[in-house]
Amino acid sequence: NAGVTQTPKFRILKIGQSMTLQCTQDMNHNYMYWYRQDPGMGLKLIYYSVGAGITDKGEVPNGYNVSRSTTEDFPLRLELAAPSQTSVYFCASRLGVGNGYTFGSGTRLTVV
Amino acid sequence: GNSVTQMEGPVTLSEEAFLTINCTYTATGYPSLFWYVQYPGEGLQLLLKATKADDKGSNKGFEATYRKETTSFHLEKGSVQVSDSAVYFCALSDPYGGSQGNLIFGKGTKLSVKP
Repeated sequence: NAGVTQTPKFRILKIGQSMTLQCTQDMNHNYMYWYRQDPGMGLKLIYYSVGAGITDKGEVPNGYNVSRSTTEDFPLRLELAAPSQTSVYFCASRLGVGNGYTFGSGTRLTVV
Repeated sequence: GNSVTQMEGPVTLSEEAFLTINCTYTATGYPSLFWYVQYPGEGLQLLLKATKADDKGSNKGFEATYRKETTSFHLEKGSVQVSDSAVYFCALSDPYGGSQGNLIFGKGTKLSVKP
């Protein structure tokens, strides 16, 4: 049982480049989330999804996009990378409201 | 709105010391409460949870009791080990608080345990 899998684990981007952070889960969870974690700042919600075809903005969505075409996958897209997007990104999923989250191991992104 | 406040870190303890990390919350409904742990270089892992008042969550020697009267969910462990060194996050989920039950996290408390 793989749980939540994120790729890549590390990435360095140049300003203005674009990339997609991949997230997939094999637990048939309806809810999926993208967070960013900056040092000493806890976690901030970027986007979330309550099921395939449904996405919604979190606290800090600017500069990011998501899609949810299947239950399993929830990719996060950065279109024009900026230094402010240097962070560690975590994907998470859960079965439903009231359940805890299962987190992936994270993607460390540096924009230079 | 809903929020979680946990004690500032870092917390440094000697091995076998008693640990308390304070967590208080604000919620409009009846939230579920969680503690997550993040070891260096890893994602967050669920440590324990409680879903209603007076429930006690426990795991790996850690405990936390859901206190509605004080809106608190303090994390405790009687004897910490070096391997407990990590960042600990308190979180709540309130389905009726306008956030679709999404977890709301505290800022985290870093614990360092010295041999």
